[in-house]
Amino acid sequence: AQSVAQPEDQVNVAEGNPLTVKCTYSVSGNPYLFWYVQYPNRGLQFLLKYITGDNLVKGSYGFEAEFNKSQTSFHLKKPSALVSDSALYFCAVSAYAGKSTFGDGTTLTVKP
Amino acid sequence: NAGVTQTPKFQVLKTGQSMTLQCAQDMNHNSMYWYRQDPGMGLRLIYYSASEGTTDKGEVPNGYNVSRLNKREFSLRLESAAPSQTSVYFCASSEFVTGGLGYTFGSGTRLTVV
Repeated sequence: AQSVAQPEDQVNVAEGNPLTVKCTYSVSGNPYLFWYVQYPNRGLQFLLKYITGDNLVKGSYGFEAEFNKSQTSFHLKKPSALVSDSALYFCAVSAYAGKSTFGDGTTLTVKP
Repeated sequence: NAGVTQTPKFQVLKTGQSMTLQCAQDMNHNSMYWYRQDPGMGLRLIYYSASEGTTDKGEVPNGYNVSRLNKREFSLRLESAAPSQTSVYFCASSEFVTGGLGYTFGSGTRLTVV
């Protein structure tokens, strides 16, 4: 069975500082990996994905994520955080021909 | 705007009442999903439909039924609502079940069962 772990319920950073939201996964075979963001009272929005190719993938709003096969991780990063980045972030994984499994989410708070 | 539309946005039910949550997508996606989101529990898959004409159970199917009415529409029915079904419900769709291009989510239905 596939699974996703987001080890931090909450991440706090100051505006302008780099941010990292952690995600590790377990799946049989090659993974499809995703990050989604959820703003208050809204549905989830797709941020970025890794399917194959370059281990560093770039997505919306200046976010990027690094796929590390040996550590089975897919951490979300941004070089300079904005207050408007404050939201709930979900990591998801699927195996080929399978549906996605979502992590429990990490609340990111960026303070001015 | 292209996307996933859910109705209603809010609903209050009494215990034992029934209701159907509607979901429609206009992106010609093959796969559709129903999730519930509860505080501290992330997203839990209730049912999904990998393609038109098929439906399968997810993690928490008890108390729910679904219908894939056509390629666009996927409804979720609560036959006899219970307080434990108080939650925010999200419908999502993807081109294929692997979600290779990511899932598109609706804006949610906030359901309270009293």
